[in-house]
Amino acid sequence: GENVEQHPSTLSVQEGDSAVIKCTYSDSASNYFPWYKQELGKRPQLIIDIRSNVGEKKDQRIAVTLNKTAKHFSLHITETQPEDSAVYFCAGPNAGGTSYGKLTFGQGTILTVHP
Amino acid sequence: ETGVTQSPTHLIKTRGQQVTLRCSSQSGHNTVSWYQQALGQGPQFIFQYYREEENGRGNFPPRFSGLQFPNYSSELNVNALELDDSALYLCASSLGLAGGQETQYFGPGTRLLVL
Repeated sequence: GENVEQHPSTLSVQEGDSAVIKCTYSDSASNYFPWYKQELGKRPQLIIDIRSNVGEKKDQRIAVTLNKTAKHFSLHITETQPEDSAVYFCAGPNAGGTSYGKLTFGQGTILTVHP
Repeated sequence: ETGVTQSPTHLIKTRGQQVTLRCSSQSGHNTVSWYQQALGQGPQFIFQYYREEENGRGNFPPRFSGLQFPNYSSELNVNALELDDSALYLCASSLGLAGGQETQYFGPGTRLLVL
């Protein structure tokens, strides 16, 4: 099955700086990589996702890059704001087997943006 | 918000009891996945239901069981509750067409405390 490693576990930046979170995965058949943001006591919220037919996707201040050869993908947040402070999770899917369609989540990154 | 709802929001049970958690999927979605999120960790896949059939299961014992109804809402049942079952239980709704690449939208979760 899929194994997803996420780094760093905590990230502290000043408002306006960029933040980068990286994930590696093990299953070369994985083809879909979402990122979720979870604020304290709330549901995970999808912020961006990428499928394996593209190497990069951008949505305003958020971008995700994918390197299928190296089996890693990264979340980039530019011009960070205090409201970006949250826990961020990457995930990868199982493409088949007995856990079809499941998401395997990374361990999470606690992002703190200081004003 | 995602349109995915869960009930109840909070629940307190004692060891050995049984619990049923409920999830209503987003309109138009036919797939519901259940996840357990322990404090400080990423969600862990329990199982997925697609068109009323179990479509994959994670590493959870048989005392975790589920159902999906014709309207695609779903239940998670846990028998013989243990202290370690204390967690946030999340359901995620998706449209099951893209071979495991479907975007999953999470409900607000049910926080279960087992005493």
